Amino acid sequence: SAVISQKPSRDICQRGTSLTIQCQVDSQVTMMFWYRQQPGQSLTLIATANQGSEATYESGFVIDKFPISRPNLTFSTLTVSNMSPEDSSIYLCSVVGQGAVNEQFFGPGTRLTVL
Amino acid sequence: QQQVKQSPQSLIVQKGGISIINCAYENTAFDYFPWYQQFPGKGPALLIAIRPDVSEKKEGRFTISFNKSAKQFSLHIMDSQPGDSATYFCAASKTHNFNKFYFGSGTKLNVKP
Repeated sequence: SAVISQKPSRDICQRGTSLTIQCQVDSQVTMMFWYRQQPGQSLTLIATANQGSEATYESGFVIDKFPISRPNLTFSTLTVSNMSPEDSSIYLCSVVGQGAVNEQFFGPGTRLTVL
Repeated sequence: QQQVKQSPQSLIVQKGGISIINCAYENTAFDYFPWYQQFPGKGPALLIAIRPDVSEKKEGRFTISFNKSAKQFSLHIMDSQPGDSATYFCAASKTHNFNKFYFGSGTKLNVKP
């Protein structure tokens, strides 16, 4: 399985500011995704991070609020813009390896608290 | 429409007992059914997965039972241990349709010593 790291692991931010979360994988991967997990809830897909092109967003999520970059096959960033307390969540990066079909692995997550 | 329904929401089991978590899905095109285990403060970890060409898959103390006609699958944890206490998520997807992983709502398991 791929080893995935995320930075920062947690942060406390003020309303109206932005935070960029980094996701680094130890090997080249086919697909990278960003999920949100609100406290005590299940996982909600935000977007698919496409290498070299614009991310594909799920219903309810927009690029202006959650801009995503993926400059290569091992790295991606998610920015949470103009934050409000409702954005307080765990943000998770996930990947699908090049060898395994459908096996999806998650990073450790970034716990964001917005005051 | 919720694509994957998971129950129970929480479960308390005595050490050594069997923990059973159930999931039901809607879309008959789904062909990959993983279970994830998540400890507090950690990301979900892939535990075990099954495809619909088999009715059961076992890995150690963890078994997935799959009923294609009923569109249901379940996770059985044999000889449950306090270290198994975590939140478990089932999911479903179609092969090569990676962005459509449908997750269940999660089951918080507490194994009492």
